[in-house]
Amino acid sequence: SAVISQKPSRDICQRGTSLTIQCQVDSQVTMMFWYRQQPGQSLTLIATANQGSEATYESGFVIDKFPISRPNLTFSTLTVSNMSPEDSSIYLCSVEESTGGYYNEQFFGPGTRLTVL
Amino acid sequence: AQSVAQPEDQVNVAEGNPLTVKCTYSVSGNPYLFWYVQYPNRGLQFLLKYITGDNLVKGSYGFEAEFNKSQTSFHLKKPSALVSDSALYFCAVRDMRDYKLSFGAGTTVTVRA
Repeated sequence: SAVISQKPSRDICQRGTSLTIQCQVDSQVTMMFWYRQQPGQSLTLIATANQGSEATYESGFVIDKFPISRPNLTFSTLTVSNMSPEDSSIYLCSVEESTGGYYNEQFFGPGTRLTVL
Repeated sequence: AQSVAQPEDQVNVAEGNPLTVKCTYSVSGNPYLFWYVQYPNRGLQFLLKYITGDNLVKGSYGFEAEFNKSQTSFHLKKPSALVSDSALYFCAVRDMRDYKLSFGAGTTVTVRA
């Protein structure tokens, strides 16, 4: 399975600032995903990031707030812009390894724990 | 639309006893079902999946899950729980026609020594 790393692992930020989270995979993958896990809650998909195209955002998430880059098949960034305390969450990236089917499991990075003051 | 329900917020068992974590799902087509585990301050780890074939699926760390189509369930089981199994468990489903995963709310498992 793919090995996924995220930077930073955690950060404490001031209201109104922005933070860029990096996700690095040790192999080429077609599909990368960004999730948010708010305190004590389940995972919510923010967007799907495919190389060579704009990210696809889920309902309730917009590009101005969560811009995503996907410059190649092993790397992606998620920026949390103009942060407020409500953005305090764990942000996780995941990948699905491409073997031609629609039934591959997703593998997750360790997450970035963000606290906004 | 697809969805997952994990009816129990918490499950408490004694070490050595059987462990069951419940999951029911709803999808319009054939389901692909997954279990993940999250240890404190860690990301999600994949445990097992059901795609097709045998209804009993075996996964990592001695866990298994049984797919029941008539009851739309995919309960996670372990015959003999360990203290180290204490963690947050998520069931997830995707429709075979879609790449999106939908997660349940999670079940916190506590195994006491």
